Amino acid sequence: DIQMTQSPSTLSVSVGDRVTITCRASQNINSWLAWYQQKPGKAPNLLIYDASNLESGVSSRFSGSGSGTEFTLTITSVQPGDCATYYCQQYNRYSFTFGQGTKLEIK
Amino acid sequence: QAQLVESGGDVVQPGRSLRLSCAASGFIFSNDAIHWVRQAPGKGLEWVAVMSSDGTNEYYADSVKGRFTISRDNFKNTVFLQMNSLRPDDTAVYYCARYNSGPFDPWGQGTLVTVSS
Repeated sequence: DIQMTQSPSTLSVSVGDRVTITCRASQNINSWLAWYQQKPGKAPNLLIYDASNLESGVSSRFSGSGSGTEFTLTITSVQPGDCATYYCQQYNRYSFTFGQGTKLEIK
Repeated sequence: QAQLVESGGDVVQPGRSLRLSCAASGFIFSNDAIHWVRQAPGKGLEWVAVMSSDGTNEYYADSVKGRFTISRDNFKNTVFLQMNSLRPDDTAVYYCARYNSGPFDPWGQGTLVTVSS
């Protein structure tokens, strides 16, 4: 099975900061990676798919990059509404694995 | 607008069974695979199962293989998750999600399953 490792587990930042979350796959997944945002008590919401494509309706402050085994999610100018847990997920063939999540807090 | 709505969550005793439903609307249901994903209280997301659009292929996480069965009724635009031999560690919010050519989108609001004596 493909393992996904996210870092860091938690982030505490100030409004306006730039944030980078990293996701590593245990084997090559090409660009079959998505990023989701989950707020407390809510279902996950798709932000980025195929590693770097912004989902329609998602703020352009979110961007994704990477391929193979190393991926990043970047949030520019963090806003209070970005408080959430962020998950990466690989969807290589019929194998689906999530990272353990990164909780973003605003100072 | 594509929408998924789960139902069937409940409190059940260990060893008992439960069936969850996921009703879809706003898209051509028979074109898309549907997943189940769960989230234990305070924990991360765990993929559970997927069924192909035509119902001919199904895949499961090792943690539920042999106990859970996914099925679908393309006439009723509904996917089911039959959960047998439930264990306390199956306690979670269960989400269904559409397989949107790779990523999962959209997700339902979730239904809570609690396994406890």
